[in-house]
Amino acid sequence: KAGVTQTPRYLIKTRGQQVTLSCSPISGHRSVSWYQQTPGQGLQFLFEYFSETQRNKGNFPGRFSGRQFSNSRSEMNVSTLELGDSALYLCASSLGPINREYEQYFGPGTRLTVT
Amino acid sequence: DQQVKQNSPSLSVQEGRISILNCDYTNSMFDYFLWYKKYPAEGPTFLISISSIKDKNEDGRFTVFLNKSAKHLSLHIVPSQPGDSAVYFCAASANNDMRFGAGTRLTVKP
Repeated sequence: KAGVTQTPRYLIKTRGQQVTLSCSPISGHRSVSWYQQTPGQGLQFLFEYFSETQRNKGNFPGRFSGRQFSNSRSEMNVSTLELGDSALYLCASSLGPINREYEQYFGPGTRLTVT
Repeated sequence: DQQVKQNSPSLSVQEGRISILNCDYTNSMFDYFLWYKKYPAEGPTFLISISSIKDKNEDGRFTVFLNKSAKHLSLHIVPSQPGDSAVYFCAASANNDMRFGAGTRLTVKP
């Protein structure tokens, strides 16, 4: 069974640009969550999608948005990029929504560098 | 706000000895706790978890202890092996919310 895939793996953008990251969950998984990892801050929760609906959102500005398609694939968009958006963006998929019953499986991440 | 804290950014231990990684949380609503391990260039992988109704869960060389009154959990690895060298994240969950700590980089020296 293929794992969670994220594209692209590496990305360099300039301040003010926008970027779209993609995540393909494990087949059969309906929940996709996005996290931002920066040194010293750990993994910070961005949002979770389940069956094309955003169930939960972390404490991030509106520049960060996402969506989920009918095949459970998810995209994350960041508009008007800032230097502080440089991070590793991880997505995780699970059979069901975030709770104790469903283990999350993480992808390798997309390393975004904003210059 | 950091609801889950790992105050030690790094830990170094000798092969064969015990590794103890600590984690503190502030939200008493958390009722499920997890540890993830992350190697460079890979996403985190689930290691072990514990429900708030228990105070200990063991899986091979890995044991997680939960002290609810102190809002503290720890991961013990015995014996530590060089392949355990990685970043370890603790996470806490309540309903549909999950929060992670900043991670502790464990180095096991041969």
